Amino acid sequence: TQLLEQSPQFLSIQEGENLTVYCNSSSVFSSLQWYRQEPGEGPVLLVTVVTGGEVKKLKRLTFQFGDARKDSSLHITAAQPGDTGLYLCAGPLSNSGYALNFGKGTSLLVTP
Amino acid sequence: EAGVAQSPRYKIIEKRQSVAFWCNPISGHATLYWYQQILGQGPKLLIQFQNNGVVDDSQLPKDRFSAERLKGVDSTLKIQPAKLEDSAVYLCASSSADRHTRGYTFGSGTRLTVV
Repeated sequence: TQLLEQSPQFLSIQEGENLTVYCNSSSVFSSLQWYRQEPGEGPVLLVTVVTGGEVKKLKRLTFQFGDARKDSSLHITAAQPGDTGLYLCAGPLSNSGYALNFGKGTSLLVTP
Repeated sequence: EAGVAQSPRYKIIEKRQSVAFWCNPISGHATLYWYQQILGQGPKLLIQFQNNGVVDDSQLPKDRFSAERLKGVDSTLKIQPAKLEDSAVYLCASSSADRHTRGYTFGSGTRLTVV
């Protein structure tokens, strides 16, 4: 069962545009993590959000954790071709040794 | 520090054959995970080890999949016999005690094609 729903599934934009991707759940999470995965590689951690309402910035990327800790968003300002990849959100499942459960991801393509 | 090592990178087998994947986690990481990632989907947990003990294998198809981590370091994942639907990337990850802040470190994965 996928507890984390990500949208949109695919996104194709031009360099310089802004975008937001979403991660939603009906469950409350103690924390959420965002990963980026490039073709042929494993996911790489971008950020962990822990507190409801928390906002974290990583250069042009802004992450927000919902007040109720059920949802999160990732906003990219002035996207660049290097931002291309699969963006995955993940949260720990309390009934599985707190292993991370991943959403299906948002596949982002940024063209020059 | 060295990353998570996985081998082989690619494997093509016929259905009903067997295959094994190997993973060497980051030194000192007590927790090791195997995930299956089917094309177009996020990684799905197969099994989680804490040192050499299994924490969770509830999503491992035990009739054909097996995994071990005998000395609490390296791990192997085996499929026998393979089915067409096992075609996927198999990712190994490891984490330290503060995994909920530092996250997981993933290997590059093994891409399995079953024909």
